[in-house]
Amino acid sequence: DAEITQSPRHKITETGRQVTLACHQTWNHNNMFWYRQDLGHGLRLIHYSYGVQDTNKGEVSDGYSVSRSNTEDLPLTLESAASSQTSVYFCASSTGDHGEQYFGPGTRLTVT
Amino acid sequence: GQQVMQIPQYQHVQEGEDFTTYCNSSTTLSNIQWYKQRPGGHPVFLIQLVKSGEVKKQKRLTFQFGEAKKNSSLHITATQTTDVGTYFCAGRDFGNEKLTFGTGTRLTIIP
Repeated sequence: DAEITQSPRHKITETGRQVTLACHQTWNHNNMFWYRQDLGHGLRLIHYSYGVQDTNKGEVSDGYSVSRSNTEDLPLTLESAASSQTSVYFCASSTGDHGEQYFGPGTRLTVT
Repeated sequence: GQQVMQIPQYQHVQEGEDFTTYCNSSTTLSNIQWYKQRPGGHPVFLIQLVKSGEVKKQKRLTFQFGEAKKNSSLHITATQTTDVGTYFCAGRDFGNEKLTFGTGTRLTIIP
């Protein structure tokens, strides 16, 4: 069955370190999205991609970057982790026909 | 930019009571989606509304899209313990694939 996976599921890192969160989908979806979820803020869009080599900034993109070298993967990199980036991160994908988004299981990141 | 507000933030109900969450957008939407997130889980798609004034039902859940396509609601009749979770609305602008999520309503059920 097609799926969307994220790794690691839990990560503890120190302030200033570079961290990369992986997202892999086997739906063959063109669109992929990264969100962060914090209490009181719901899901906020970090970056998104509509296809290979395409990346776009979301509403909370500062301190984050993404790259899309193939259809299946959209890794999210925190260039220099900050305590304010402690959060739960969700990756999602969609077909591109204005339909639903399929979410991965999430990565809980703690920056100490 | 587009903002999507959702109220209430929390709702505690006795099992068997009804529940409603409301969603309001600062702009007219192309469509709106609803998602449910169980505690410790990830958001799962429930439904999409596209037409002005549209009403859709899924068993005990009723979804409405406002006439102006700027607001929406989710109503659950006779809540059950399986309804526990956070319900999010997500609005989509015209000509855009990305969604703007509301802040969510966390529903807890008192048995």
